[in-house]
Formats: sequence, C-alpha cells, structure tokens
Amino acid sequence: GAVVSQHPSRVICKSGTSVKIECRSLDFQATTMFWYRQFPKQSLMLMATSNEGSKATYEQGVEKDKFLINHASLTLSTLTVTSAHPEDSSFYICSARVGLAGGQSRTDTQYFGPGTRLTVL
Amino acid sequence: AQKITQTQPGMFVQEKEAVTLDCTYDTSDQSYGLFWYKQPSSGEMIFLIYQGSYDEQNATEGRYSLNFQKARKSANLVISASQLGDSAMYFCAMRERIGRGAQKLVFGQGTRLTINP
Repeated sequence: GAVVSQHPSRVICKSGTSVKIECRSLDFQATTMFWYRQFPKQSLMLMATSNEGSKATYEQGVEKDKFLINHASLTLSTLTVTSAHPEDSSFYICSARVGLAGGQSRTDTQYFGPGTRLTVL
Repeated sequence: AQKITQTQPGMFVQEKEAVTLDCTYDTSDQSYGLFWYKQPSSGEMIFLIYQGSYDEQNATEGRYSLNFQKARKSANLVISASQLGDSAMYFCAMRERIGRGAQKLVFGQGTRLTINP
C-alpha cells in the first residue's frame, strides 16, 4: 500500500514553455501533498505544501507564479512550471501524507513518488 | 540553523558487514518523528524506518534498526548484513510541526553508501 505515482518521469522542453507534472496517490487518500526539488548530489528542498481544495503554502524563496500548484482532489496534485528556463532544470519529487491532521505516529508518514526529471533546453 | 545533520558525505563498506549512518537533529518540540529514506540512483525515495520521540524502544524493520539516543539528539541508522543493493543515498529526516495540524519534513544532507563486493 501507500503508492504514489508521478507523471511524466522525464520531460525535456524548450525554454519559455510550461510543463505540468502530476502526482497521484494510488491506494489512499492523501490529506496533504508536498512538492520537492532536488539538485544533483544535494538534498531535497521543500517547495510547497498543498491541501486539497485550498491554496498551496509555498516555502520562502519559491515563486508562486512560477510554480503553480493545484490540488483538485484527495488523490491528485499538479505542479506546473510556467515559462520554464534552463535554471528550472531539476529533479522534482512529490510526496503524499498518510494520516490524520495533527498525527505524530508511524502511520503519519510521507510516501514519495518516483520523481520527474525536467530538462529545459 | 541546520536541524538535521548527517556528517558522513560518503561511506564505503564491505558486503555483509554492518554499517551505521549518523544523524543528529535539533528541535525544541517534545513530540516529533524521525525518518530514514533510501534514494537509489533511480531517484525514488524509499521509506525505511520511523522513530517517534515517545517511543521507548528503538525501531526495527528487517535489517534496518534505528539507534535512538534522545538525550544526545541522535537517530543513527544501522544496516545489518549489508548487501550490494544497499548502495544508495540515505537521508535522515525530521517531521516538524508548523501549526494547526500542518507538518513538513526537514531533510539532512544525505550520506552516499557504497557497498563493495
């Protein structure tokens, strides 16, 4: 259980275009989904937190208009990189939180998607 | 301030040996959770083990165990009988509450583990 999928796994696009990445929880409803960015040989950097039906909460320094997040249902969140540029090239990975709000137990765990490698030419 | 510290950028271990990956954390919360994730070259993040701050016993999951020393604020991952497939990046993370049920994971810098045959 607790499987998270991401699509596409890899995308190459031209500078100036927009790219949409989907994150789905396949066998559970996720109270919250998270979007991370990872540069080569570095750790994961949280970009934003999204709850179904509400606006995403962005981390400091992350451009809201650049990285649009939509969380339309309890099983789907999307990240759109608008007007992508080469510096947006990175590995984007989502996670979905299992568990009740306020939980602090093993069952309240984030499960990660397989990631999307974005290359902007 | 760094909240999760992994001081070993890289570790090289002989197959079948046990290995300990270090992780120290900093928090003023009484209730928190600590996680270890494995990231192979494919990029996926695989959940390995969880330790709650109130758990009295160290967590174990198969060959993985967590050496939790609360007073020292350390949560080291121990992998017994290492296998070639254990070669990967390993991340320690702490669940941080950010108010009204919201939470986020804070990750350490990671340790690259290489298992030699």
